[in-house]
Amino acid sequence: EDKVVQSPLSLVVHEGDTVTLNCSYEVTNFRSLLWYKQEKKAPTFLFMLTSSGIEKKSGRLSSILDKKELFSILNITATQTGDSAVYLCAVDSPIIQGAQKLVFGQGTRLTINP
Amino acid sequence: SQTIHQWPATLVQPVGSPLSLECTVEGTSNPNLYWYRQAAGRGLQLLFYSVGIGQISSEVPQNLSASRPQDRQFILSSKKLLLSDSGFYLCAWSVHNLDQPQHFGDGTRLSIL
Repeated sequence: EDKVVQSPLSLVVHEGDTVTLNCSYEVTNFRSLLWYKQEKKAPTFLFMLTSSGIEKKSGRLSSILDKKELFSILNITATQTGDSAVYLCAVDSPIIQGAQKLVFGQGTRLTINP
Repeated sequence: SQTIHQWPATLVQPVGSPLSLECTVEGTSNPNLYWYRQAAGRGLQLLFYSVGIGQISSEVPQNLSASRPQDRQFILSSKKLLLSDSGFYLCAWSVHNLDQPQHFGDGTRLSIL
């Protein structure tokens, strides 16, 4: 059975700290790994990673994938209260040509205190 | 630009009642469409996906069904709701290019009494 595990499940830090969120996976077929941010309703897309060792960056957020060790990390530097959210990791394990099957982890609830 | 709409935002239904949740996408044609459920303390679980009108595939056996009567419309239904159907239901769309991510609607929070 395909599985995605995120750690920690919950994290509370102070504004300005740097955080690292972890995601490990075991899937039959791997196409890509995605990170989403979920504040209240719709998860919003952050990164899609397909190749090992290539860091993707967007402002204070960055992510990298290790396909040999089957994990990814999401880093957030100089955290702000607006970074408070649930961060979801998902692996695309293909179903059929042209469709994605996203297997999600439980999410990491990040709380940034001022 | 593309947008995705889901309604209703919240719904409280008695056990045994029927269900119909609707999702529509604007600004794109022939999208892939997906229904997910997010149960408390658990990750999102894929329920159904569709790669075209009238084409529905189910990922898990359950009390729910899905239909796609129009290109950009995806409906989640049940004839008789169970307590275990409670949860947060999310609709998502993607293009057929697998290098592009799925985009989610705001979801429907369903409570069964």
